[in-house]
Amino acid sequence: AQKITQTQPGMFVQEKEAVTLDCTYDTSDPSYGLFWYKQPSSGEMIFLIYQGSYDQQNATEGRYSLNFQKARKSANLVISASQLGDSAMYFCAMRERRDDKIIFGKGTRLHILP
Amino acid sequence: ETGVTQSPTHLIKTRGQQVTLRCSSQSGHNTVSWYQQALGQGPQFIFQYYREEENGRGNFPPRFSGLQFPNYSSELNVNALELDDSALYLCASSPARGQGADTEAFFGQGTRLTVV
Repeated sequence: AQKITQTQPGMFVQEKEAVTLDCTYDTSDPSYGLFWYKQPSSGEMIFLIYQGSYDQQNATEGRYSLNFQKARKSANLVISASQLGDSAMYFCAMRERRDDKIIFGKGTRLHILP
Repeated sequence: ETGVTQSPTHLIKTRGQQVTLRCSSQSGHNTVSWYQQALGQGPQFIFQYYREEENGRGNFPPRFSGLQFPNYSSELNVNALELDDSALYLCASSPARGQGADTEAFFGQGTRLTVV
């Protein structure tokens, strides 16, 4: 069964510091995709970054990078040089190749302190 | 912005009523999925539409139904509303499988439904 685990309900980080949001997943499908989304208080789910299970290199998008450790089934999001606007809820999610739905974790609420 | 638009943004309904939520998908995307996000939780998959047919369903009762139109826009209908249906409803659009479906899934801003 698919499962996404985010063990950090909340995090407080000083502005300009780097932050790592943890995510582990479980799947028996060898082909899958991993997503990270940001959800501000407005509610919109903002796509941040994607990692495919067969991708050899870790995905990067600007200040976001995904630390993909396939053997450990880990897909942590790293935000470099955090900004006040990064304060939001962050969701890790997965979609198996054989399925249609995206499975989300419970999320991590990130607070950036000035 | 993603190009996925949902309407209305907020809605208040009475228990027992019916509601229709709407979603316009991003240009070039022909697959639309709907998710329910209860307060403090991650989104839960309701169903997906592809080529105007339901193409996958989550653990939701039949009173949750949908439609997809030839222009790929979609509706979510919920009958006999219950208090627990109060949630943020999110629509996501993506290309069909084999056309980048693995890498793209963009969400709209959501419709916040309150059932009283």
